[in-house]
Amino acid sequence: DGGITQSPKYLFRKEGQNVTLSCEQNLNHDAMYWYRQDPGQGLRLIYYSQIVNDFQKGDIAEGYSVSREKKESFPLTVTSAQKNPTAFYLCASSSGRWSDTQYFGPGTRLTVL
Amino acid sequence: GEDVEQSLFLSVREGDSSVINCTYTDSSSTYLYWYKQEPGAGLQLLTYIFSNMDMKQDQRLTVLLNKKDKHLSLRIADTQTGDSAIYFCAESGGAGGTSYGKLTFGQGTILTVHP
Repeated sequence: DGGITQSPKYLFRKEGQNVTLSCEQNLNHDAMYWYRQDPGQGLRLIYYSQIVNDFQKGDIAEGYSVSREKKESFPLTVTSAQKNPTAFYLCASSSGRWSDTQYFGPGTRLTVL
Repeated sequence: GEDVEQSLFLSVREGDSSVINCTYTDSSSTYLYWYKQEPGAGLQLLTYIFSNMDMKQDQRLTVLLNKKDKHLSLRIADTQTGDSAIYFCAESGGAGGTSYGKLTFGQGTILTVHP
């Protein structure tokens, strides 16, 4: 089955800890994206990557970091510098051509205790 | 920058039609999308429309685009309780490269369908 997987589905973290969210796709897509979703605010773009070994900051990159060492994987690290990390995190991918459709994973809900 | 606006709530009775509205500001948008999100899940692509089209129909879904007013709507015919979800509209960046592949989302409309 082709698709996007995110793990874990639920994640709990103590304040001051870094945590890494996994995103894997087997759609052979070039581009991958990370969004944050808060109630009533829609989706906000954290980071995106158009190609392996390259990524750009989105609208709310502060306190987050990413890597893109493989085409299939785009992990997101939520660092202790992120002031309000409790949210629902969504990963997406697209074939990478201009204005192409994005397909989403099931999401990871991060809660800071 | 680009902005996409939606009303937050819509309540309909089962069997009626639902119309979810969206306005956007980027006149260079190329594609406009509708996504559905069920509780605790990711976003599911419902349909999309190219900016040079006025209407697109796909089974119970009809998308209308008024490019002059920058207004997009999604009509769901014969709405069912399973259609209860959050619906997001999104627009893709225009030409120029800096908006490559990026989508700007509205806040989402919570559709509640009553039996």
